[in-house]
Amino acid sequence: GAGVSQSPSNKVTEKGKDVELRCDPISGHTALYWYRQSLGQGLEFLIYFQGNSAPDKSGLPSDRFSAERTGGSVSTLTIQRTQQEDSAVYLCASSSRRDTGELFFGEGSRLTVL
Amino acid sequence: QKEVEQDPGPLSVPEGAIVSLNCTYSNSAFQYFMWYRQYSRKGPELLMYTYSSGNKEDGRFTAQVDKSSKYISLFIRDSQPSDSATYLCAMSPLTGGGNKLTFGTGTQLKVEL
Repeated sequence: GAGVSQSPSNKVTEKGKDVELRCDPISGHTALYWYRQSLGQGLEFLIYFQGNSAPDKSGLPSDRFSAERTGGSVSTLTIQRTQQEDSAVYLCASSSRRDTGELFFGEGSRLTVL
Repeated sequence: QKEVEQDPGPLSVPEGAIVSLNCTYSNSAFQYFMWYRQYSRKGPELLMYTYSSGNKEDGRFTAQVDKSSKYISLFIRDSQPSDSATYLCAMSPLTGGGNKLTFGTGTQLKVEL
């Protein structure tokens, strides 16, 4: 597709369950980001992948959160043992450039933890 | 205190009004300043991008950066109902560490007929 694709668009889960969120970036974009957007909060940086370099995981809020990027393309964000405070919109973005702020965002995966 | 502060609004204006949106920040390392627009249930999209201090104009939109005051603004002239959205400021330092942007909370704007 032409844009960043995320799935699922909506996910409702029970506290304690694991969830996986998928991001398919724009073809050819080497950089991929995950952000979290909670109600009334700005976008919170989670993790950044650039090419084959080690990911920048400095924004992951706890060890329940992990992400991988396979083959330099698709990425999966995994949240283990979900908590109610994990409820948010998880946004993925990709970029082809390091020197500007032009991130291309997907529409997000809205996670609700009951 | 957050690194980037932005009034969440909501801000309601009549069609045709001039809108002023702004952010303040505390990290003097920030060199790149951006404004993103986010429609309801959509991802943010880049609206304006400015490097360091100064003004930049694009159609009805003008971005201003005052690094001495750590203050950035977005002006929208002749506002339209289609401008109704949440506007997020974002910024990053001058490094090669990718575009790990720091965002404001966003200002919700409604332009009424």
